[in-house]
Amino acid sequence: QKEVEQNSGPLSVPEGAIASLNCTYSDRVSQSFFWYRQYSGKSPELIMSIYSNGDKEDGRFTAQLNKASQYVSLLIRDSQPSDSATYLCAVQYNFNKFYFGSGTKLNVKP
Amino acid sequence: NAGVMQNPRHLVRRRGQEARLRCSPMKGHSHVYWYRQLPEEGLKFMVYLQKENIIDESGMPKERFSAEFPKEGPSILRIQQVVRGDSAAYFCASSRDGNNSPLHFGNGTRLTVT
Repeated sequence: QKEVEQNSGPLSVPEGAIASLNCTYSDRVSQSFFWYRQYSGKSPELIMSIYSNGDKEDGRFTAQLNKASQYVSLLIRDSQPSDSATYLCAVQYNFNKFYFGSGTKLNVKP
Repeated sequence: NAGVMQNPRHLVRRRGQEARLRCSPMKGHSHVYWYRQLPEEGLKFMVYLQKENIIDESGMPKERFSAEFPKEGPSILRIQQVVRGDSAAYFCASSRDGNNSPLHFGNGTRLTVT
């Protein structure tokens, strides 16, 4: 059983700080990695995709991938109260199978 | 905006009734996935379909649950003889193809079994 592990949180950070969200996965045969944001009562929304080792930046978001350590992270700079949500890590394996972590709840305090 | 369309948004069924959940993928997408989510829990994979084919149903309960994605029309998740434990949010997601394409989610169907 392939697993994607996330700390459930909640992770609390003050407004303007950097929020760091982490995810580990169990299988080295993995292709693509995604971060989704889910507000309470809403559907998951794709915010970042990363496919190769290193960093990928998009606005205030940076995704980091280290395949050797089987680790993917999401940094949110200048955190805003509107960033308060649950962040889901997803890993795509062969044959188009996607596995999701249970999510990390982020609270950004004004 | 031709996003993933799910209906109904809310569905109430009495125990023993049938529930039918519909999902139309994004335009140009031929891969459909169904997930179930209980309150304060993560997404649980149920089934992965392409047109007219079930690719992976390893997450589907063996009884009462079925899914299809016909050549024409939306994908259907069918739950027969619903029980209270079936109450959950059911999300459909679609992707373009298998080559690093992310999933895009619909707004979900909230099923309540009374």
